[in-house]
Amino acid sequence: DIQMTQSPSSLSASVGDRVTITCRASQGISNSLAWYQQKPGKAPKLLLYAASRLESGVPSRFSGSGSGTDYTLTISSLQPEDFATYYCQQYYSTPLYTFGQGTKLEIK
Amino acid sequence: QVQLVESGGGVVQPGGSLRLSCAASGFTFSSYGMHWVRQAPGKGLEWVAFIRYDGSNKYYADSVKGRFTISRDNSKNTLYLQMNSLRAEDTAVYYCAKETEPTGGAFDIWGQGTMVTVSS
Repeated sequence: DIQMTQSPSSLSASVGDRVTITCRASQGISNSLAWYQQKPGKAPKLLLYAASRLESGVPSRFSGSGSGTDYTLTISSLQPEDFATYYCQQYYSTPLYTFGQGTKLEIK
Repeated sequence: QVQLVESGGGVVQPGGSLRLSCAASGFTFSSYGMHWVRQAPGKGLEWVAFIRYDGSNKYYADSVKGRFTISRDNSKNTLYLQMNSLRAEDTAVYYCAKETEPTGGAFDIWGQGTMVTVSS
């Protein structure tokens, strides 16, 4: 099985900050990587897929990059509504998809 | 409006059974593979099971293999998860999710989740 390792597990930042979250796969996943945002008590929401493609309706301050085994999610200027938990997911080894352990983004 | 609505959660004793349902609307349900994902209280997301668009292939996480069965009724636009021999560690919110493409991909639509509590 492909393991996904996110870092950091938690992060404190301020409104307006630029934030980067990293996800590393245990083997190459050919950009088959998605990022989700989850707020307390809510279902996850798809932000990006194919490593860098923005889901419809998602603000452009969210971006993704990477290749091979290493991927990043960047939020260019944090907004109050961005404080949430973020998960990466590989869908390369379809359909045995796996998620990272999550990164909780908190207000500093 | 594209949506998934889960139902069937509740409190069950260890060793018991429960069947979850996920009603789909707003898209051609029979064209997409579907998944169940769960989240234990305070924990991360765990993929549970997948079923191909036509029901011909099914896959399970090792943690539920042999105990859970995923199925679908395309005539009713409904996905199911039959959960048997439930354990305390199965306590979680269960989400159904749709793939972005008929050929696979990320999960673009999620249900609101249904809580399953396994406790005596």
